[in-house]
Amino acid sequence: SQTIHQWPATLVQPVGSPLSLECTVEGTSNPNLYWYRQAAGRGLQLLFYSVGIGQISSEVPQNLSASRPQDRQFILSSKKLLLSDSGFYLCAWSARQVNTGELFFGEGSRLTVL
Amino acid sequence: GNSVTQMEGPVTLSEEAFLTINCTYTATGYPSLFWYVQYPGEGLQLLLKATKADDKGSNKGFEATYRKETTSFHLEKGSVQVSDSAVYFCALRAGNKLVFGAGTILRVKS
Repeated sequence: SQTIHQWPATLVQPVGSPLSLECTVEGTSNPNLYWYRQAAGRGLQLLFYSVGIGQISSEVPQNLSASRPQDRQFILSSKKLLLSDSGFYLCAWSARQVNTGELFFGEGSRLTVL
Repeated sequence: GNSVTQMEGPVTLSEEAFLTINCTYTATGYPSLFWYVQYPGEGLQLLLKATKADDKGSNKGFEATYRKETTSFHLEKGSVQVSDSAVYFCALRAGNKLVFGAGTILRVKS
């Protein structure tokens, strides 16, 4: 069966520090991969998605970047965190060829920037 | 563009009450529609889905019917439990992406 793992689960970082959140998927090949952010009291905002290694689409201009160094690995990064980067970050995957299919989410990473 | 509008919460109900959470969408064509649930401190889990008009998705006593004529996908449950307290998200599939509504907090009191 397929599984998705995110880490770290919780992170407290000072303003201006770097960030790296990692996500890996097991049990499937060639998935589409996604990073969403959920700010406190708000809905889900799609940040990045990827349809293949090295292929990243950015949905909104921001202080963050994403990379996909391997087929089932998706990394969210920042060189210098801002207070506004605080939130709950969710990684997700979907089957590449199924346009009607759902996304499967990880457990999330809660980032607090102080 | 593609968008999803959900009723604002929080929705507070007593146990065994009837639940409706409204969801309407704007999209090109006929996208797949989903309801996700998020329990406190967790990621999102798929609750149910429908891939074409008039389909009814159902799971754990929850139901939603894909209504093309009203562009709606309202979530219903006949008798809620305290364990149903969570945030519920309506979403549509637009190509490679899922577009989510803002979420509706449900609180069920015993």
